[in-house]
Amino acid sequence: DQQVKQNSPSLSVQEGRISILNCDYTNSMFDYFLWYKKYPAEGPTFLISISSIKDKNEDGRFTVFLNKSAKHLSLHIVPSQPGDSAVYFCAASDSGTGNQFYFGTGTSLTVIP
Amino acid sequence: EAQVTQNPRYLITVTGKKLTVTCSQNMNHEYMSWYRQDPGLGLRQIYYSMNVEVTDKGDVPEGYKVSRKEKRNFPLILESPSPNQTSLYFCASSFVLGLADTDTQYFGPGTRLTVL
Repeated sequence: DQQVKQNSPSLSVQEGRISILNCDYTNSMFDYFLWYKKYPAEGPTFLISISSIKDKNEDGRFTVFLNKSAKHLSLHIVPSQPGDSAVYFCAASDSGTGNQFYFGTGTSLTVIP
Repeated sequence: EAQVTQNPRYLITVTGKKLTVTCSQNMNHEYMSWYRQDPGLGLRQIYYSMNVEVTDKGDVPEGYKVSRKEKRNFPLILESPSPNQTSLYFCASSFVLGLADTDTQYFGPGTRLTVL
């Protein structure tokens, strides 16, 4: 049973506009969340993370928002660039029970020049 | 250069023939992990290790073994591979995660395994 869900398999956005990628989770014990970006034929690379003590974390063009009551997080990319085209995975962990990670199924983002 | 290496990158084998996929990291990370990526299922954790001689099952451990005899290496062993283990495998490592925003896992380039 998927504990982390990304319901949009794909997303297309014009260059310069905002990309919003969504992620939902079911386990209320998750307290650490991450976003990874993956290009074809490469391993995932870390993008940004957030702990449950925060509701927002920013790193340059990337911002992650966490809504604990809704068990929802989102990744905002502003402005979107063609090099952002990749598959994005969200992941979650319950640090209290160890370091097991649960990943979503990924969202393929295409930024159109 | 800080990196996680996996070997082989591609492997085609037959059912029942034991194989090992190696993983090595040069960042002195305590935590190492194996994932498999399948279409429509995302990344699923197979096993992870918090330190030498400490391993734990992830979400999908059946049919796999691991060992952590040295800090830098974390091989994945398939004693009797079956076609349903055909997948893309990733090894990852990190410092033991706390709640610091900078803690993260570094992934290897992946091993594409086909079991006929």
